[in-house]
Amino acid sequence: EIVMTQSPATLSVSPGERVTLSCRASQTVSSNLAWYQQKPGQAPRLLISGASTRATDFPARFSGSGSVTEFTLTISSLQSEDFAVYYCQQYNNWPWTFGQGTKVEIK
Amino acid sequence: EVQLVESGGGLVKPGGSLRLSCAASGFTFSTYSMNWVRQAPGKGLEWVSSITSSGSYIHYADSVKGRFTISRDNAKNSLYLQMNSLRAEDTAVYYCARDPAYYDTLTGYVDSWGQGTLVTVSS
Repeated sequence: EIVMTQSPATLSVSPGERVTLSCRASQTVSSNLAWYQQKPGQAPRLLISGASTRATDFPARFSGSGSVTEFTLTISSLQSEDFAVYYCQQYNNWPWTFGQGTKVEIK
Repeated sequence: EVQLVESGGGLVKPGGSLRLSCAASGFTFSTYSMNWVRQAPGKGLEWVSSITSSGSYIHYADSVKGRFTISRDNAKNSLYLQMNSLRAEDTAVYYCARDPAYYDTLTGYVDSWGQGTLVTVSS
């Protein structure tokens, strides 16, 4: 099973700041990497697939990059509605596996 | 608009059984692969099971293999999860989730989620 490790666990950020979240895979996942956003009491929402393809629901301030084992989610200027937990997930090998999540909270 | 509505959750004793259902609408259900993903209270996400559009290909997480059975009824636009021999560690919100792949393939990620149904396994 591929283990996905996200860092940091929690990020305290002020609105307007640039945010970088990391996700590392224990073995190569090529570009088969998705990111999800989850707010309290809500289901997750697909944010990024294919490591860098942004879902149509999300604005351009969100971007994904990386391949093989190292991936990054960047929020260029954090807005109030972006405070949430972000999960990465690999879908290169079954079982598909998620990272433990990064919580982006208000500083 | 894609809608996925789960039902069937509740409180069950260890060793008991439960059947979850997911009613799909807003898209051609019979052409999409589907999944169940769960989230224990205050914890992260865990993939449970996947089924392709015709039901030909099915995968299970090791943690549920032999105890859970995924199925679908394309005529009723419904997805199911039969859960037997339930354990305390199966306590979670169970999400019905659509894979964007068509026709008996799996991409492996989720493009639409239901709101989830809570399963609590406790004596």
